[in-house]
Amino acid sequence: DAMVIQNPRYQVTQFGKPVTLSCSQTLNHNVMYWYQQKSSQAPKLLFHYYDKDFNNEADTPDNFQSRRPNTSFCFLDIRSPGLGDAAMYLCATSTGGTQETQYFGPGTRLLVL
Amino acid sequence: GQSLEQPSEVTAVEGAIVQINCTYQTSGFYGLSWYQQHDGGAPTFLSYNALDGLEETGRFSSFLSRSDSYGYLLLQELQMKDSASYFCAVSRGGKLIFGQGTELSVKP
Repeated sequence: DAMVIQNPRYQVTQFGKPVTLSCSQTLNHNVMYWYQQKSSQAPKLLFHYYDKDFNNEADTPDNFQSRRPNTSFCFLDIRSPGLGDAAMYLCATSTGGTQETQYFGPGTRLLVL
Repeated sequence: GQSLEQPSEVTAVEGAIVQINCTYQTSGFYGLSWYQQHDGGAPTFLSYNALDGLEETGRFSSFLSRSDSYGYLLLQELQMKDSASYFCAVSRGGKLIFGQGTELSVKP
C-alpha cells in the first residue's frame, strides 16, 4: 500500500545533541511537509518542499533544518534540541493541487532529556 | 491575520448526531478541509468543501458557507471510535492552516 513512513516512531535524545528524523513516501507526491505538534495543539508547519524548492515558515527556529535528497525521502535535523522541542513530529505529503489534501505519516515522538 | 476558531471540546452520546463548527477570518483560500486525529495517531483526511454547500461521506458530512465565513462537520450515528480530535483547515498558498482542534468525547 502507498504510504508515508516515519522512523523512528520514538526518539530519545539529550539536551543539545543533534538528532535526525526521517520520512519516506511511496505516493510519489511532489510536496513534503514537516509539522511539530505539541499536546492538545494543532500541527504547526515548520517547512515544506515543493519538489526541490524549500519553503521555510517565518517563525521556524534556525535550530530546525531539512533535507530532501530525492522525491521519496525527507529529513528533519534538529541541531541542538532543547527541552521545548519535545513534541510529536509529523511528516505529510500532497500532490500540490489546490485541494492540498495531505497524507500524514504516523509521526515521531521526540523526548529530550 | 488568518485564524480559524473551533470549540475546544464537545461531548455526545453513542448514536447521537454532533456538529462541530469552524469559523474563520481568512480570505483567498481554495477550500475547507476536516481532519480526524486519534490520541497518539496521525491526522487523517475526512472531508473537503471547495464550494458552498454540503458534502456527504458516509456518516460524516461537511458544510461551507463562504459568505458567512463558517463551516461545520456533522457526525451522525456516533460510535465510540469517533472519540478523537477534529481539525478544520483552509487550503492556501500550498499549505494548510489548521484550527486549534475540537476534542470529541463519545459516551456510552
